[in-house]
Amino acid sequence: NAGVMQNPRHLVRRRGQEARLRCSPMKGHSHVYWYRQLPEEGLKFMVYLQKENIIDESGMPKERFSAEFPKEGPSILRIQQVVRGDSAAYFCASSRSLNSPLHFGNGTRLTVT
Amino acid sequence: KNEVEQSPQNLTAQEGEFITINCSYSVGISALHWLQQHPGGGIVSLFMLSSGKKKHGRLIATINIQEKHSSLHITASHPRDSAVYICAVGNAGGTSYGKLTFGQGTILTVHP
Repeated sequence: NAGVMQNPRHLVRRRGQEARLRCSPMKGHSHVYWYRQLPEEGLKFMVYLQKENIIDESGMPKERFSAEFPKEGPSILRIQQVVRGDSAAYFCASSRSLNSPLHFGNGTRLTVT
Repeated sequence: KNEVEQSPQNLTAQEGEFITINCSYSVGISALHWLQQHPGGGIVSLFMLSSGKKKHGRLIATINIQEKHSSLHITASHPRDSAVYICAVGNAGGTSYGKLTFGQGTILTVHP
């Protein structure tokens, strides 16, 4: 049973480009969470999704960031018109149900040049 | 004041030593998580607990709900335990256990 898969592991984008980060949850997991870890800072919650629904996006920046978890396929975190301040590690985690243990992916390291 | 405070921020130990990392929080919680992160690596969930004590191998996690405090203990530490250990809490009354507030992490270095 594969763990939470995130790709790409490393992503380099120029300012103004779009970044798409993918997260495939563990098999049987329908809850997905995204977190961001800025350089020299702690982790911060961004968004919580279930299949086809955004449940809580209170940690998402108001502009340029969006997330989806379609019925088929991975969850996608999309950052439009990236800026240098978006450079960070982005982690996703999944769980089987609301209060079951979380399983984390290895993260995507985004570098904006 | 941060909602989740860890101490110490940095910890150096010799192989074989008993290690304790502390976590204090200021809000009501649904659950507390201990996570491990190796440099440049992913995050591994070590424990999720809401009361009492849990043990897995050389790792032990305890929580005192009344005092809003948790500890992570490592017995017979080994250089491969060197990592950042992160405490995180899910707020009580929230819709999700995964909406976590994280501590700043404790950097553990174990020397052979």
